[in-house]
Amino acid sequence: EVQLMESGGGVVQPGGSLRLSCAASGFAFSNYWMYWVRQAPGKGLVWVSRINSDGSSTAYADSVKGRFTISRDNAKNTLYLQMNSLRTEDTAVYYCARLDGYNGLEYLDHWGQGTLVTVSS
Amino acid sequence: DIQMTQSPSSLSASVGDRVTITCRASHSISNSLNWYQQKPGKAPKLLIYAASSLQSGVPSRFSGSGSGTDFTLTIGSLQPEDFATYYCQQSYFTPDTFGQGTKLEIK
Repeated sequence: EVQLMESGGGVVQPGGSLRLSCAASGFAFSNYWMYWVRQAPGKGLVWVSRINSDGSSTAYADSVKGRFTISRDNAKNTLYLQMNSLRTEDTAVYYCARLDGYNGLEYLDHWGQGTLVTVSS
Repeated sequence: DIQMTQSPSSLSASVGDRVTITCRASHSISNSLNWYQQKPGKAPKLLIYAASSLQSGVPSRFSGSGSGTDFTLTIGSLQPEDFATYYCQQSYFTPDTFGQGTKLEIK
């Protein structure tokens, strides 16, 4: 069974840092691209970042570029999101998700349960 | 970025009703359109991928159609467990973008 489990969320002051982790199990983690998606309280889903299967290629939403860093450790089956210079608008539940697809058609077929990040003074 | 616009934003319906939700992309995205269901306090769940393919384990009352810029999600006969929020997502252009969501409530 595919499982994704996020951790590392919490309360942090503006300007602070947090590192989120996503532990993967039940599939060949090193074969899949992975995503971070966030959801502010009462709001919709927003793509944050993605990383390819070997970690050599990454992409970020403009709103987090230069502040967040996505990475992965395939030996530990773990995805990370290092979040620096946090702002109040970064407050959200952060989900990791697995990207699957074929012939250029891609979709997020498994999601973690999410971890809440609250940025507040 | 590609804008995804869902309509309606909210919808009241009864058990047994047939419901359709639409999603419009600001540019053509071929059939790179996915639908997710999210219940309160839970992670999103993939329902439909590539506009019309049913994800494994999803009931057949869910169906999707469309191509280019206009897409629909149809629930053939609403069940109590279907009351949730539904999101479309395009995966044709980076960044991936989601619609604003359609909240389906019990009438």
